[in-house]
Amino acid sequence: QQQVKQSPQSLIVQKGGISIINCAYENTAFDYFPWYQQFPGKGPALLIAIRPDVSEKKEGRFTISFNKSAKQFSLHIMDSQPGDSATYFCAASKAAGNKLTFGGGTRVLVKP
Amino acid sequence: DARVTQTPRDKVTEMGQEVTMRCQPILGHNTVFWYRQTMMQGLELLAYFRNRAPLDDSGMPKDRFSAEMPDATLATLKIQPSEPRDSAVYFCASGLGGREQYFGPGTRLTVT
Repeated sequence: QQQVKQSPQSLIVQKGGISIINCAYENTAFDYFPWYQQFPGKGPALLIAIRPDVSEKKEGRFTISFNKSAKQFSLHIMDSQPGDSATYFCAASKAAGNKLTFGGGTRVLVKP
Repeated sequence: DARVTQTPRDKVTEMGQEVTMRCQPILGHNTVFWYRQTMMQGLELLAYFRNRAPLDDSGMPKDRFSAEMPDATLATLKIQPSEPRDSAVYFCASGLGGREQYFGPGTRLTVT
């Protein structure tokens, strides 16, 4: 059972454009939703995270939008840069310190 | 700059051999996770510990995998005997209580 579904699998965006990645979850017990960024040959790095008591969180060019009733959340990367080219994973857990269930990942390519 | 360290970074071994991967969590972190990443399965949790006690190892094949924390600064993941299907990148992550998880650089395992 895939508890966190992520789309699209890959994304190409022009420099300066907006990258949008969507995730949907099934387990209503999830209450912590982080996004990780992974470059080739590196471990995933925490980018931004949200809890379901807020509908949006912004950190720099990265914004998470959260829709609790639809059990969906998304990552928006504003003003995308070539250095943002990476694989992005959404994840969910029942609490911040517990095991993460990951989405399948989205490979983002930002063209200069 | 506190980081999770993992050794070895790369390991090539023959089927049937024992493999031991080591992880040094960030000093002071009390929760350690082992994840496996493959193209087919993505990122999946194998096991995790809190205050050195195993909390969940349901993602781990019990007949050949074992995970331990001999002390607070070392976590180990062993595979015996190894099989080609174990080829993957194995990540260790650590966290403190209910906070974020920080991933190490991974061990790339190839079993021939």
